[in-house]
Formats: sequence, C-alpha cells, structure tokens
Amino acid sequence: DAGVIQSPRHEVTEMGQEVTLRCKPISGHDYLFWYRQTMMRGLELLIYFNNNVPIDDSGMPEDRFSAKMPNASFSTLKIQPSEPRDSAVYFCASSLARGQFGYTFGSGTRLTVV
Amino acid sequence: AQKVTQAQTEISVVEKEDVTLDCVYETRDTTYYLFWYKQPPSGELVFLIRRNSFDEQNEISGRYSWNFQKSTSSFNFTITASQVVDSAVYFCALSPAGGTSYGKLTFGQGTILTVHP
Repeated sequence: DAGVIQSPRHEVTEMGQEVTLRCKPISGHDYLFWYRQTMMRGLELLIYFNNNVPIDDSGMPEDRFSAKMPNASFSTLKIQPSEPRDSAVYFCASSLARGQFGYTFGSGTRLTVV
Repeated sequence: AQKVTQAQTEISVVEKEDVTLDCVYETRDTTYYLFWYKQPPSGELVFLIRRNSFDEQNEISGRYSWNFQKSTSSFNFTITASQVVDSAVYFCALSPAGGTSYGKLTFGQGTILTVHP
C-alpha cells in the first residue's frame, strides 16, 4: 500500500483565497483524521470521520474551515477565506478500528498564507 | 479531558549515549492506548509503538525500549547507543479505547532530540 497520500505537499496562497487540501487514506481504513501542527499549539485534531461520516468536528477552528469525505478513498479540508494565522502543516491520518492497530499519517501539507 | 506532558523540550546528546524521553499523561479513561511518534527533519510522522493500558510489559525493539508505568502515568522512551539519524522530534500521544472520544489522539508538545557526532 502507498500509505496515506496528501496533496499538495506545499501550498502558498494569498490571504482571502480559498485553499483545498486533499487526502487519500489507506484502503480499508475506516477512520480518517485531519490534524494541524503549529509551533504555538502543537498537533491538534481538527475533525475525524468514520465510514465517510463526520463524527467530531469540535476541533475545527471556525466556520472558514470545512471538511468532506465523499467516499472511502478521498477527503478534503477547505479553508475559505484563508488568513495568515492558518499557516501550518496539515496532516491527514487514517486508521482501522479507531486506532486499535495504530494510526498512519500522511506526509503533510505545509500551508503558507501571505 | 486528556493531557500528555513531555517536560523535556530539547535534549542534546553525543552519539552512542543513551537517552530517555519522558512522557506523563492524564486521563479519566480506564482503558486507553499510548503511542510514540517520530518526526524527522523531513516532517512526516512515523509511528514507533502503541501500548494498551492493560499491558504494562516493557518492550524492546532494537535500540528502542519503552517503560510503561501505570502507577505513575508514565510512558518513557529510551534510545540506547544513540545515532545521528535519531535526531528528530518525538511525540508521545494518548487515545481513549472506548467512549465518545474513542480514537481521538492527544499529543504532547514533543521533545526535540539532537544527536551530535
């Protein structure tokens, strides 16, 4: 398996623009997580899905953030409009059985909003 | 609420030294999982180990070993004979094994390990 695949690896955008981050989980994994990593806040969970259904989005910072999982092999995290404080590394992770066997993270998307 | 504390922000050692990274956690859950992840300079998060709360056996994998002590809520990680390639940020993490928060990972702030040649 190719692991969790995220795209793009790097994204630089101007404040106010829409940004879409993409994730392809490991085939067969039924849980998908979006995390954000910043120097100030460390790694924080934004939202997670089970069988394509959002279960907990309490970590989503504000209405500018939205996430979807239209099928078992694809998820998006969208920021509209983007702001400089959204600059961070965004990780996607997937797991089987709620992490009972561990979580596999993607390589992350480094987002810079200027 | 869950909390993971990695009190050591940065550790610097010389190659071949042993080094222990501390992790202390707080949880009200009776069953949970503990994890260690490595984040090398390239940025990805690499899974190292998962431990169930009901299994307090220590584990050794090559130069890595983990000491889980439920009585002190600690899950420490030791690297024996450290190498330059061990230089990375190491994260300890916790997730409940049941309840509404089942599967949600809470990370510590990480420990930056630098191994000098």
